[in-house]
Amino acid sequence: KNQVEQSPQSLIILEGKNCTLQCNYTVSPFSNLRWYKQDTGRGPVSLTIMTFSENTKSNGRYTATLDADTKQSSLHITASQLSDSASYICVVSDDFGNEKLTFGTGTRLTIIP
Amino acid sequence: SQTIHQWPATLVQPVGSPLSLECTVEGTSNPNLYWYRQAAGRGLQLLFYSVGIGQISSEVPQNLSASRPQDRQFILSSKKLLLSDSGFYLCARSLSGSGEQFFGPGTRLTVL
Repeated sequence: KNQVEQSPQSLIILEGKNCTLQCNYTVSPFSNLRWYKQDTGRGPVSLTIMTFSENTKSNGRYTATLDADTKQSSLHITASQLSDSASYICVVSDDFGNEKLTFGTGTRLTIIP
Repeated sequence: SQTIHQWPATLVQPVGSPLSLECTVEGTSNPNLYWYRQAAGRGLQLLFYSVGIGQISSEVPQNLSASRPQDRQFILSSKKLLLSDSGFYLCARSLSGSGEQFFGPGTRLTVL
């Protein structure tokens, strides 16, 4: 069964600090991995998408890494801001044609001033 | 720009009542459309997806149904709501083969 596990479940850090969120998956065959940011009560917004051949992708202060051999990904947030408070969801695609995705349950990140 | 609208934003319905949630997409033709449900503390669950008008694939058997009467319209329905239908319903779109899904703002459904 395809699964995506994220850790930690929740995280609280001070504004300005860095943090790293983890994602492990058992999805096969692998197509791509995405990180989404979801503000409370809103739809998820894509941060990065990586295919098998990509190891790192950045989007501003967000940097995602992918190790397809160990089936692990991380999302690093640099110099956190209050607006970074949200849930971060790791999503893996196993079927490029029909876009069937496996979603992690997310990491709830809270930035405190 | 490509925009996804969902209506209504919030809904409170009694058990046994019918349901109709609407999703409309702007700025793109022949998109793949999806309905997801997000329950508290759980990942998004794919309910239905559609690759074209009148074409619906169901991922999870339940008391919900979906229809796509127009290219840019996707409707989620139920004849009789259950308490377990409460959740956050998200509509998403992708262009065929693009590998990227974009989500609407969601509808918060509470069944009492």
